[in-house]
Amino acid sequence: QSALTQPASVSGSPGQSITISCIGTSSDVGGYKYVSWYQQHPGNAPKLMILDVSDRPSGVSNRFSGSKSGNTASLTISGLQAEDEADYYCSSYTYSSTYVFGTGTKVTVL
Amino acid sequence: EVQLVESGGGSVQPGGSLRLSCAASEFTFNFFWMNWVRQAPGKGLEWVANINEDGNEKYYVDSVKGRFTISRDNARSSLYLQMNSLRAEDTAVYYCARGWRSAFDTWGLGTMVTVSS
Repeated sequence: QSALTQPASVSGSPGQSITISCIGTSSDVGGYKYVSWYQQHPGNAPKLMILDVSDRPSGVSNRFSGSKSGNTASLTISGLQAEDEADYYCSSYTYSSTYVFGTGTKVTVL
Repeated sequence: EVQLVESGGGSVQPGGSLRLSCAASEFTFNFFWMNWVRQAPGKGLEWVANINEDGNEKYYVDSVKGRFTISRDNARSSLYLQMNSLRAEDTAVYYCARGWRSAFDTWGLGTMVTVSS
């Protein structure tokens, strides 16, 4: 149950697009279509942004999109805005019927 | 509005016990898996445990197996986490989270647990 691997930080200018990777194994990310992404602002609870690899819950901006290839999932934020500055975590269902989160990525809007 | 409110956190010595509660409102509690997720100070999220709709399926992260027990009372729309043999590394904010399609769609504000001598 090792944490999924994410880059520690990603940055971009307003209006640009950024992509956050989430690397797992065939026992989690690669084995299921059950990857989700969460946004967490300082001092707040996490917020679900993407589920089942690429589905957006109601109310989440279409600037957020998800994808997966093999053991790597990705979150792309298009048209970067100041309010997108936050920590982002991926999560995956695993072969042992448990869940594992990623190490987290701090997104900075320059 | 769908809401989850955690309680029961506090300070405890190593080896001690705490029982966390999570009160759910504005949704049909017994239709959903429920989860506990924790976050150590300045660290990332860690999934801790979950329980199915009627309480007869439970799963745990390896680091808490045999020490923590998740349970629920559907009549009270409440989720619990009994934590025994607490260690310093269990220090964290503990979040209650509703499960939906293999994701966590609703989160409480969390309750802080500090394990220290």
